[in-house]
Amino acid sequence: KQEVTQIPAALSVPEGENLVLNCSFTDSAIYNLQWFRQDPGKGLTSLLLIQSSQREQTSGRLNASLDKSSGRSTLYIAASQPGDSATYLCAVKKTSYDKVIFGPGTSLSVIP
Amino acid sequence: GAGVSQTPSNKVTEKGKYVELRCDPISGHTALYWYRQSLGQGPEFLIYFQGTGAADDSGLPNDRFFAVRPEGSVSTLKIQRTERGDSAVYLCASSLDGVGYEQYFGPGTRLTVT
Repeated sequence: KQEVTQIPAALSVPEGENLVLNCSFTDSAIYNLQWFRQDPGKGLTSLLLIQSSQREQTSGRLNASLDKSSGRSTLYIAASQPGDSATYLCAVKKTSYDKVIFGPGTSLSVIP
Repeated sequence: GAGVSQTPSNKVTEKGKYVELRCDPISGHTALYWYRQSLGQGPEFLIYFQGTGAADDSGLPNDRFFAVRPEGSVSTLKIQRTERGDSAVYLCASSLDGVGYEQYFGPGTRLTVT
């Protein structure tokens, strides 16, 4: 059974710092991995989608990497801003038509 | 264009009552997903539709939960004999199809069972 964990559960950093969020999954046979952002009381916004054949994806200040063999993904946020404060969740899909399994999320606070 | 919408945004009901939660996916998206999210946790998969059919309903917790998507667009999640433990945010997502495309989430329905 696939399990997804995220470390740390919460993180507080001063504005401008670069930071890394971690995601681990127990079954390396995944189809893709997706990083989401969730603001309080809101739905999820997709940030980056990495297919199993890819090693990383970049969007603006965000870079996500995927190491299937070790069951890990990282989300790198450069030059953090207060507006980045949110909960970040990773999610994996085992096959193309399979359900998505989410991690518990990392709550990020960027202090001005 | 319009995103995924969910109604109502909030629903308060008494224990034992029946509730329906509605999801309007992005037009043209054939895949639709329902999730349940409790406070401080990630979303938990409930059911996945491809078109009108439920491709995977393994996440439905028990037979009090049922979902339909009769015309392949709007979906309704139905909960019978609600219990206090059903209180959560119910999220709906859609994607272009089920194969590798990004999921786009609605804002959710917050269900409170008193």
